[in-house]
Amino acid sequence: KAGVTQTPRYLIKTRGQQVTLSCSPISGHRSVSWYQQTPGQGLQFLFEYFSETQRNKGNFPGRFSGRQFSNSRSEMNVSTLELGDSALYLCASSTDSYNEQFFGPGTRLTVL
Amino acid sequence: AQRVTQPEKLLSVFKGAPVELKCNYSYSGSPELFWYVQYSRQRLQLLLRHISRESIKGFTADLNKGETSFHLKKPFAQEEDSAMYYCALTTPGGGADGLTFGKGTHLIIQP
Repeated sequence: KAGVTQTPRYLIKTRGQQVTLSCSPISGHRSVSWYQQTPGQGLQFLFEYFSETQRNKGNFPGRFSGRQFSNSRSEMNVSTLELGDSALYLCASSTDSYNEQFFGPGTRLTVL
Repeated sequence: AQRVTQPEKLLSVFKGAPVELKCNYSYSGSPELFWYVQYSRQRLQLLLRHISRESIKGFTADLNKGETSFHLKKPFAQEEDSAMYYCALTTPGGGADGLTFGKGTHLIIQP
């Protein structure tokens, strides 16, 4: 089985821009979760999508949004980028959110 | 809200010595607890979860509800155990907060 893939792997943006990250889950997995990882805050939950619906959401501002398509692929969007949004963004898929989550390699976002 | 605390950022032990990585949590109900591991240049992956009660790569972890702890143990450390270890919690049914992670412990096994 192919693992979780994330594109792009690296991104450099400037403040005020917006960015879209993509995640392709393992085939058959309907749950996709997104996490932000920073040296200071560690791994923090952003949101979870299941069957195209956002089911859970972490404590992040509305600039962070996402969606899931009918094939379970998910995108995450960050608008009006701030320097503090520089982080590794991880996507994880599972059959359901309480089961083992399989992580992708992450997208490294740098905001200048 | 739930919280996971891993008090040691770095733990260094010699090969063959016992290892214990500490994890404490705060949650008023019955959580589901996991240990995830990230080896150098690899993805974050599940090591074990408390409900399976398995021993993976010689590691075990016991949920102590009285002490709200889920420490990870291995009797004899091996060099290939060097990695970042994250304790994580979710509430029953998946929870509204996804997985709540601790800050991680960097385990270094010295030869």
